[in-house]
Amino acid sequence: AQSVTQLDSQVPVFEEAPVELRCNYSSSVSVYLFWYVQYPNQGLQLLLKYLSGSTLVKGINGFEAEFNKSQTSFHLRKPSVHISDTAEYFCAVSGASMEYGNKLVFGAGTILRVKS
Amino acid sequence: ETGVTQTPRHLVMGMTNKKSLKCEQHLGHNAMYWYKQSAKKPLELMFVYSLEERVENNSVPSRFSPECPNSSHLFLHLHTLQPEDSALYLCASSQDLALPSHFGNGTRLTVT
Repeated sequence: AQSVTQLDSQVPVFEEAPVELRCNYSSSVSVYLFWYVQYPNQGLQLLLKYLSGSTLVKGINGFEAEFNKSQTSFHLRKPSVHISDTAEYFCAVSGASMEYGNKLVFGAGTILRVKS
Repeated sequence: ETGVTQTPRHLVMGMTNKKSLKCEQHLGHNAMYWYKQSAKKPLELMFVYSLEERVENNSVPSRFSPECPNSSHLFLHLHTLQPEDSALYLCASSQDLALPSHFGNGTRLTVT
């Protein structure tokens, strides 16, 4: 079974500052990793995903994440945030095979609050 | 517009009521999902349908009853709910049983 820990429930940051949202996972098998964003009163939107290959993954809206197998982490970063990035961000993991394909396990979420 | 539409957006119901949540996807996907999002808890997978067949029932109480009449529509029938069932219910879809790629905006359910 897989599990996900998002280490910060809320991250306040000023506009144009860099941000990192932390995610650690545990799994006994190889994994796929994902970040989703949820804006107020909306559903989830896929930001980026790691399936294989390069450990640095670039997503939409200027976000990127790095898969670190030795530290079992998949932290999300953005070099300069905007007010419009205020949202809740979810890290998710699944086992890396079709057997696990639909069984995403989500973290509890991190609320990013961007202040002007 | 994500291609997945959920109605209603908000629902308040008593513990003895019967209501249904509706989800419709316009993406040509063949797998659909119901998730429950409670305050301060991770998203919980409730049901998965592939080609209109239920392939996953994640230990959900029988007061929640899903229905998938075709690959574009998914319902969640609710009856005799409890206050702890109050949550945001999200529908999602995908092509084949891959990760759910498109989510609806959810139905905010309040049980009084």
